[in-house]
Amino acid sequence: LAKTTQPISMDSYEGQEVNITCSHNNIATNDYITWYQQFPSQGPRFIIQGYKTKVTNEVASLFIPADRKSSTLSLPRVSLSDTAVYYCLVGGLYNFNKFYFGSGTKLNVKP
Amino acid sequence: EAGVAQSPRYKIIEKRQSVAFWCNPISGHATLYWYQQILGQGPKLLIQFQNNGVVDDSQLPKDRFSAERLKGVDSTLKIQPAKLEDSAVYLCASSSTGGLAGVYEQYFGPGTRLTVT
Repeated sequence: LAKTTQPISMDSYEGQEVNITCSHNNIATNDYITWYQQFPSQGPRFIIQGYKTKVTNEVASLFIPADRKSSTLSLPRVSLSDTAVYYCLVGGLYNFNKFYFGSGTKLNVKP
Repeated sequence: EAGVAQSPRYKIIEKRQSVAFWCNPISGHATLYWYQQILGQGPKLLIQFQNNGVVDDSQLPKDRFSAERLKGVDSTLKIQPAKLEDSAVYLCASSSTGGLAGVYEQYFGPGTRLTVT
């Protein structure tokens, strides 16, 4: 399965837009890109998923370039409650919806 | 819709003792996952069930860990005997399907925090 690389941590301030980039150089043709969010003492929560180009929902946007070797999660106007660990995963299609989590990116939003 | 339920939420045991965790997935979800999350790391998949069959248990330490999913609904994960390095949060997740048909969101339970002393 494709390995992902993300920054270990990022700092931001309330109201700013945050972009977290994930590298997945050996992504397979059938792999999807999925992002999860995890707060302390909780299980991960699905944020967004995409295959190519751009996907947007009420929480975030996901940008995927044509070569799909990286992806960027964009969080608009973050608040203190967005402080969490964000995981980028690739996989899913044709492998029984199986994903592997990396170490994630710890986002710290400051007032 | 009710979420994924897990119990107990916390468990403290001594090394070499046994422990069991229970998971009730979201109703109708065919796929169930058990993950181990050590402090500071991402979740590691231990075992994945599709209905009551095992899809992947390649990272399950089978000499001490076992899991079952009777009747394709609830699941139990057991550790016997426990080691100090088993201290972690054990997460259960489910998704509506996990076959070749597509990619589906996983819903996670709150986890069981295990401390082995």
